[in-house]
Amino acid sequence: EAGVVQSPRYKIIEKKQPVAFWCNPISGHNTLYWYLQNLGQGPELLIRYENEEAVDDSQLPKDRFSAERLKGVDSTLKIQPAELGDSAVYLCASSLQGMNTEAFFGQGTRLTVV
Amino acid sequence: GENVEQHPSTLSVQEGDSAVIKCTYSDSASNYFPWYKQELGKGPQLIIDIRSNVGEKKDQRIAVTLNKTAKHFSLHITETQPEDSAVYFCAASITGNQFYFGTGTSLTVIP
Repeated sequence: EAGVVQSPRYKIIEKKQPVAFWCNPISGHNTLYWYLQNLGQGPELLIRYENEEAVDDSQLPKDRFSAERLKGVDSTLKIQPAELGDSAVYLCASSLQGMNTEAFFGQGTRLTVV
Repeated sequence: GENVEQHPSTLSVQEGDSAVIKCTYSDSASNYFPWYKQELGKGPQLIIDIRSNVGEKKDQRIAVTLNKTAKHFSLHITETQPEDSAVYFCAASITGNQFYFGTGTSLTVIP
């Protein structure tokens, strides 16, 4: 069975440009997470979905970041406009619904803003 | 929110020796503590977890201990092998679906 799939793996853009990341979770996983991982740091939650509903987006910088999970499956995370400080790895994870269930991570998208 | 601190940030051990990574958490309501291993260019992968009603859990060469009173938990890897080299993250969760991660420990096992 395929794991969490993210694309692209790498993205280099100029500041002020828009960028989008895509995530396909494991089939049957209702919960989907987007995490930000800065170099040498642990992942930090940006947003969590239960099916198509964003149940925790308190850490998402809403002035420039947006996310959607149409039909409760695939998800897209967008940044517009990108800033130099957005350079990081963006990780998507999914899990079965419920408490204390294992979160499976994708390989991440490494974003470089120049 | 929860604050998780992790030490050391880097750790080098000889192959066959043991490695210990320690984490502390701030919120006594945290009740689930997973450990993740992240290899270069890959996403974190769960290697072991422990719930607050258990003091110790073991899975082959890895074990995790939890001290709720002191609010700290540790990862123990015995008989280390070169393939254990990676970055390890601890995490704590109150709700079971929102995780607060430590800053990571880069483990190098020297053959």
